[in-house]
Order: sequence, then C-alpha cells, then structure tokens
Amino acid sequence: DGGITQSPKYLFRKEGQNVTLSCEQNLNHDAMYWYRQDPGQGLRLIYYSQIVNDFQKGDIAEGYSVSREKKESFPLTVTSAQKNPTAFYLCASSDSGGAADTQYFGPGTRLTVL
Amino acid sequence: QKEVEQNSGPLSVPEGAIASLNCTYSDRVSQSFFWYRQYSGKSPELIMSIYSNGDKEDGRFTAQLNKASQYVSLLIRDSQPSDSATYLCAVKRYQAGTALIFGKGTTLSVSS
Repeated sequence: DGGITQSPKYLFRKEGQNVTLSCEQNLNHDAMYWYRQDPGQGLRLIYYSQIVNDFQKGDIAEGYSVSREKKESFPLTVTSAQKNPTAFYLCASSDSGGAADTQYFGPGTRLTVL
Repeated sequence: QKEVEQNSGPLSVPEGAIASLNCTYSDRVSQSFFWYRQYSGKSPELIMSIYSNGDKEDGRFTAQLNKASQYVSLLIRDSQPSDSATYLCAVKRYQAGTALIFGKGTTLSVSS
C-alpha cells in the first residue's frame, strides 16, 4: 500500500517536554510538509523540505524543529518553546514541490498538552 | 501575508441540490488551485485541482477558475448527505518549493 503514515495518532505532552511526531511516506515523493490545524481554522505551514538534508521554515516555525535525513521520513519535534502546541498536526508530501504539484496528506497526529 | 478567503458557513442544502462553494485569493501570481474535503477529525483529501481559467469537471464536482477576478469555486451537483464536510480551498504561488496557502474552510451540511 502506497501512502503517508503518521504516528502516533494521539499524543499527550506535559508542560516542558519535547515530543517528536513521525511522518513516513512510500510514494517516492521528493517534497514533504508539516502543517498545523487549530479548531475552526485552516492549515498553517510549519516547515517544508524539497530534498533530503534541506528544509525551510514556514509561517509558524517558532518552537518546532525538523530533520530530513532520508527521503521517506520527515519527523517534527515540538519543543518546550512552543507555547501553545495543542493542535492537529498534518504531514503531507508531493512529487516535486513545483507549481503544478499536488500534495497528499497523512492521517494526522492530535497533540494535547496536559 | 497573502490570503485565501472562504465563507465559513455553514452552507445548508437539501439532498439532490447543487452546493456552491466559493474562494477568493489575494496573490495575483497564484497559479495552482486545489479543493480538499475534510471530514470531522480526519485529514484533508484532494477533490480537485485546477490550473487554467474555466471549468474542470470530475463526476459530480466542477471547479471553476477566474484568474482576472481572483476567484475559484467548487460546485457539487446532486449533493448527498455523505458530502457533508468542511471544504478547504488551497492556493499555490508560482514559485518552486512553496507550500499551499489554505482558507479556513466552508462547512457544508446536506440534509436528507
């Protein structure tokens, strides 16, 4: 089965903890993205990566970090510096990141701060 | 910050009717436009993409693009209760590596 997997589905974090969200794709896509969605809101871009070992900040990168050591993997770390991390986190991938490129989404991780 | 705007709704239509969802965008150089459907608690799934002015049809869905007016719409014919969801409009600028800019979504409710 080709697709994008995210784990865990639900994640609970205590104040001051760093947590890492996993995103894996077997679509052989070059580009990968992380978005955050808050209730009643659209998706906002956190980070994106067009190729291995390269990534760029999106609109709301503060308090987050990423790595892209392998083409199929793009993990997101939510650090303690992120003041309001409770949200629905969505990973996406696309073939090349070009203008006509289509993004496909994983099932998401719902993060709650206790 | 470039914006994508949608009426949040809810838009309520009876089963079998046509639902019309609208989206405007502010960046004139935008080149690619997408409609995603999102059920409550789930991730967005792609419905349509459109790149050229005019209409694009896929089954019961028709996307319409007017770049001069900076307007893109989605028509759903013969609406079904299973179409009840939030519809997200997304825009991509003509710049390699740029991710999508999303509107906040329009919630559609189809009553049987």
